[in-house]
Amino acid sequence: NAGVTQTPKFQVLKTGQSMTLQCAQDMNHEYMSWYRQDPGMGLRLIHYSVGAGITDQGEVPNGYNVSRSTTEDFPLRLLSAAPSQTSVYFCASSPSLDRAQETQYFGPGTRLLVL
Amino acid sequence: LAKITQPISMDSYEGQEVNITCSHNNIATNDYITWYQQFPSQGPRFIIQGYKTKVTNEVASLFIPADRKSSTLSLPRVSLSDTAVYYCLVGANNNNDMRFGAGTRLTVKP
Repeated sequence: NAGVTQTPKFQVLKTGQSMTLQCAQDMNHEYMSWYRQDPGMGLRLIHYSVGAGITDQGEVPNGYNVSRSTTEDFPLRLLSAAPSQTSVYFCASSPSLDRAQETQYFGPGTRLLVL
Repeated sequence: LAKITQPISMDSYEGQEVNITCSHNNIATNDYITWYQQFPSQGPRFIIQGYKTKVTNEVASLFIPADRKSSTLSLPRVSLSDTAVYYCLVGANNNNDMRFGAGTRLTVKP
């Protein structure tokens, strides 16, 4: 199993440009999520999905869209990038929501710089 | 929602035991406490998880007092390879009520 994969590893955008961060997992996990990681602030949840066709907002959803058409993929879209979205983005997955104590498996991250 | 507080950084030497405490005063009844380890340019990796009392696995122990308002990650006999950032996560059911602490940067010196 490759686990959780993310592409690209690094991206530079200009303000106002759009792009999609890709995330895929091959573990048949129901739950997937996106976090951003900023210095001194830990990881903050952007959006999450409990299964194909179901998404919901996390702590910091503004400026980001998601969709979940398949179990494997959970792309994150920036429609109009802003410098405040400069961050490292992590995708994560876990088996299900049935148990409160499920652990999450994280991808390697995408480093995004918005100029 | 639980407010999570961790020390920003800690230093230790090889072979010592390291204890990192996380404060979560507003922890809810259903919340679990999970610790992750993160190396530079990598995603966080699960270390240990618990609900109350003590949990031990092959790499760490987690101590949670009866009031559950704090937790302590204990790393026995650290080595240089344990140098990383350690995150405390409090929450349940993988929903948007989960919160990470800001992380503790542990530096292990020879």
